[in-house]
Amino acid sequence: KAGVTQTPRYLIKTRGQQVTLSCSPISGHRSVSWYQQTPGQGLQFLFEYFSETQRNKGNFPGRFSGRQFSNSRSEMNVSTLELGDSALYLCASSLVENSPLHFGNGTRLTVT
Amino acid sequence: QKEVEQNSGPLSVPEGAIASLNCTYSDRGSQSFFWYRQYSGKSPELIMSIYSNGDKEDGRFTAQLNKASQYVSLLIRDSQPSDSATYLCAVNGFGGATNKLIFGTGTLLAVQP
Repeated sequence: KAGVTQTPRYLIKTRGQQVTLSCSPISGHRSVSWYQQTPGQGLQFLFEYFSETQRNKGNFPGRFSGRQFSNSRSEMNVSTLELGDSALYLCASSLVENSPLHFGNGTRLTVT
Repeated sequence: QKEVEQNSGPLSVPEGAIASLNCTYSDRGSQSFFWYRQYSGKSPELIMSIYSNGDKEDGRFTAQLNKASQYVSLLIRDSQPSDSATYLCAVNGFGGATNKLIFGTGTLLAVQP
């Protein structure tokens, strides 16, 4: 069974631009979560989607948004990029509630 | 108080020893608990999940949960250099929200050959 797939693996953007990251969950998994990982803050929860609905949201500004499609694939968007948005963005999927998350390889975003 | 707290380490143990990793969490209503391992430059991978009080063993790994003390731990027996990584504690169910997994900042484990 294929794992969680994230694209692209690497991105370099400049301040003020916007970016869209993509995630395909494990087949059959309907919940998709997004995390930001930085050396100083660790893994920070962004949001979680289930059946195209955002169920949970972390403490990030409105510049961070996401969506989920009917095939469970998900995208997250960051608008008006700031230098501090440079991070590893991880997507994870899970089968049912309270079950473990399975992570993709992440997208490394660098903002210059 | 942080939602999930771990000692950042590094925790250094000799090869063959037992490594003990600890984690506390703030929400007494939390429902499920996980340990992940993350090698440098890689994404987290699941090691153990535990849902009820007591011990759960899987090979060289034992997870321990004490909900009354809001404490979860991971023991690694016969530690190997390949176990050197950051170990992340994750807790689900904060504020009654399911599928909102909150992570600690991780403990760096170094196993010395």
